[in-house]
Amino acid sequence: EDQVTQSPEALRLQEGESSSLNCSYTVSGLRGLFWYRQDPGKGPEFLFTLYSAGEEKEKERLKATLTKKESFLHITAPKPEDSATYLCAVHSEGRRALTFGSGTRLQVQP
Amino acid sequence: DAGVIQSPRHEVTEMGQEVTLRCKPISGHNSLFWYRQTMMRGLELLIYFNNNVPIDDSGMPEDRFSAKMPNASFSTLKIQPSEPRDSAVYFCASNHRGTYNEQFFGPGTRLTVL
Repeated sequence: EDQVTQSPEALRLQEGESSSLNCSYTVSGLRGLFWYRQDPGKGPEFLFTLYSAGEEKEKERLKATLTKKESFLHITAPKPEDSATYLCAVHSEGRRALTFGSGTRLQVQP
Repeated sequence: DAGVIQSPRHEVTEMGQEVTLRCKPISGHNSLFWYRQTMMRGLELLIYFNNNVPIDDSGMPEDRFSAKMPNASFSTLKIQPSEPRDSAVYFCASNHRGTYNEQFFGPGTRLTVL
């Protein structure tokens, strides 16, 4: 059974204080790892897809990396508007559906 | 593009009543997903359609839940009879090529069953 664990559950940063969110996974053959951002009262919004170990993708202050066991979402010099819940999901050979982690709630204080 | 449209945005009903949630996917997308999100269980896939055909319904909790996609621009998720434990936010998402690609989520329907 595919498993996705995100840590920490919650993270509070000061504006400009860089940090990383972790997504550990156990799957039977990874086909893709997805990062989504979810604002309160809204649906998840796609950020990145990573397909193989060593791959990296960047978007503004966010950078996602992937190893064979985990993915990191690095946030550089965050701003208050980066406050949201960040969800990690995996697509594996064993399942047609995505398996989502429980998310990391990020709060960036000015 | 208007994005994925869901209705109603909020639904409050009493236990035992029938509930129907509606979704209009993004025009041109051929895959549609229904998810449920709760604090306890997070985001879970209920059912996934490709070209209007159900591909994976293994996440549908029980026979009280049913989903249809009569055409490429409309889908429904029905709960009959509803129970308090069905209270959750239900999301619809759509995309091209199913699970391999990014999914575009709607704003969700918050369901409360009293």
